[in-house]
Amino acid sequence: GAVVSQHPSRVICKSGTSVKIECRSLDFQATTMFWYRQFPKQSLMLMATSNEGSKATYEQGVEKDKFLINHASLTLSTLTVTSAHPEDSSFYICSARGGGRSQPQHFGDGTRLSIL
Amino acid sequence: DAKTTQPNSMESNEEEPVHLPCNHSTISGTDYIHWYRQLPSQGPEYVIHGLTSNVNNRMASLAIAEDRKSSTLILHRATLRDAAVYYCMEYGNKLVFGAGTILRVKS
Repeated sequence: GAVVSQHPSRVICKSGTSVKIECRSLDFQATTMFWYRQFPKQSLMLMATSNEGSKATYEQGVEKDKFLINHASLTLSTLTVTSAHPEDSSFYICSARGGGRSQPQHFGDGTRLSIL
Repeated sequence: DAKTTQPNSMESNEEEPVHLPCNHSTISGTDYIHWYRQLPSQGPEYVIHGLTSNVNNRMASLAIAEDRKSSTLILHRATLRDAAVYYCMEYGNKLVFGAGTILRVKS
């Protein structure tokens, strides 16, 4: 089946640090990638949608200057959490889709971000 | 906001079939019905999806009501590894996750 690789799986860093998370589709071309955030015991919350070569579309309430998304190729999207603070600590999950909405989304294994 | 309604939790015995219901009464005619599941500390896993007809794959079966306002995910023989949170979603341009159904499987 389709594989999405997310790296790193866990990050622990000091407040004020910027953190970059990579999401790669390993065996298919991802025309659209999505970024989600999940707090403990809660469901996934969609942060943004990105199409290759275009600016990301952010969900309401998500700061685009805080969460920088780059989708420069059909196999790679990155999420950078700028000047991270403890309230940004969460489980970040990416997903990728190879075609239109008739195609499933394939998810990475997530990145656990802890800001001290 | 999520547009689907699912029971908060369900319980099943190992080796028995499980029917997980989902209501999506406001679904549009072109939205697909998708099911995913999530184990603790992992990303969601795709299970199955369909538009109008019932669907089968190696993981499960999806039964879609004729009016498309509800669907049922069928796990034919539940195993302990099937214990997870199951999400059904209407898929337009993006997946919006609701609370899902926590499935517990007893040995």
